[in-house]
Amino acid sequence: KNQVEQSPQSLIILEGKNCTLQCNYTVSPFSNLRWYKQDTGRGPVSLTIMTFSENTKSNGRYTATLDADTKQSSLHITASQLSDSASYICVVSPSAPGGYNKLIFGAGTRLAVHP
Amino acid sequence: NAGVTQTPKFRVLKTGQSMTLLCAQDMNHEYMYWYRQDPGMGLRLIHYSVGEGTTAKGEVPDGYNVSRLKKQNFLLGLESAAPSQTSVYFCASSYRQLNTGELFFGEGSRLTVL
Repeated sequence: KNQVEQSPQSLIILEGKNCTLQCNYTVSPFSNLRWYKQDTGRGPVSLTIMTFSENTKSNGRYTATLDADTKQSSLHITASQLSDSASYICVVSPSAPGGYNKLIFGAGTRLAVHP
Repeated sequence: NAGVTQTPKFRVLKTGQSMTLLCAQDMNHEYMYWYRQDPGMGLRLIHYSVGEGTTAKGEVPDGYNVSRLKKQNFLLGLESAAPSQTSVYFCASSYRQLNTGELFFGEGSRLTVL
């Protein structure tokens, strides 16, 4: 069964510190892996999209990495800010026929940045 | 920029009542989707549409119906609401299929069924 597992479930860090969120997936084959940020009470917003052949993608202080061999991805946040407090969702797009409009969502990691 | 707009944002229903959630997008996207988000779970696809006049079932379609009479609108209906349908519902749209296309979400509609 195609699955996307994220860890940790929740994380608290101090403002200015770095952190790394993990995503393990069993979806295979896949077209792309995405990371979304979801603020409380809002819809998810895209941070990065990586195809299966890409290893890293950055968006400002957010850097996503992908290891297709181990089926792992990580999202690294540098110099965290209070506005980084949100849920971060890992999403995988299967590439099998019939799956071109299906995404597999992880349950998310809830990050709290404290002053 | 309006993007994807959902109405209503909040609704409380009694078991057995019906309602319709409206999603409107102004980006001229072909593809539209309805997801539900429950605590501790990833978003799950309810129904989707690949163009005006088309609909297709997603992962959890039971108890829901949809219509796409106009390209910019995608309606999600609950004919007889059940407590298990208490959730946050997200509409999304994309210009292309999701194996290559970016997905844009609305702000969500929180539904409580008593």
